[in-house]
Amino acid sequence: AQTVTQSQPEMSVQEAETVTLSCTYDTSESDYYLFWYKQPPSRQMILVIRQEAYKQQNATENRFSVNFQKAAKSFSLKISDSQLGDAAMYFCAYRTPSEGNKLVFGAGTILRVKS
Amino acid sequence: KAGVTQTPRYLIKTRGQQVTLSCSPISGHRSVSWYQQTPGQGLQFLFEYFSETQRNKGNFPGRFSGRQFSNSRSEMNVSTLELGDSALYLCASSHRVTGELFFGEGSRLTVL
Repeated sequence: AQTVTQSQPEMSVQEAETVTLSCTYDTSESDYYLFWYKQPPSRQMILVIRQEAYKQQNATENRFSVNFQKAAKSFSLKISDSQLGDAAMYFCAYRTPSEGNKLVFGAGTILRVKS
Repeated sequence: KAGVTQTPRYLIKTRGQQVTLSCSPISGHRSVSWYQQTPGQGLQFLFEYFSETQRNKGNFPGRFSGRQFSNSRSEMNVSTLELGDSALYLCASSHRVTGELFFGEGSRLTVL
């Protein structure tokens, strides 16, 4: 069974600084996708960034980028120039096409941004 | 473009009762997935419906069921409620091409 592990229950970052959230996963599939989702206190889950396993290039979305290490099964999220609005719970998630749209989530990391 | 709409947003039930939650996906999305979110177990996949057929099911007892209508709207039902069913139930619809999941704000169920 696929598993996703986020080892940091909580992280803090100073406004304008950079923070990295860690995620590891376990799978025997060769075709899969990895995601970072953000869940602000209002609760609606928002997609931050996605990475296709077959792509070697790390995905980036403005201030958000990932470090995808396929052999190590590691998928970390880097947030640059942190803003107060980045404060939220961040979930790492995995999906494989063989299981449709089923997402396997990590336990989440609470990110606090200090002004 | 309207997002994923879940109703009701909040509800309180007592043990033994049953509950039905509704999810209206983004227009054009044919896949709807349901997730249970609790502090202890985190986010867990319940089931996915695509074109009115259950395509995948998580590891939940048979008290949890769902269905999807021809307009892609989906409902999930929990019968014989237990205290442990108290949770935030999230629905997500999926874009046909990209597979990106869009989540609703959830239905907060409290079982007393």
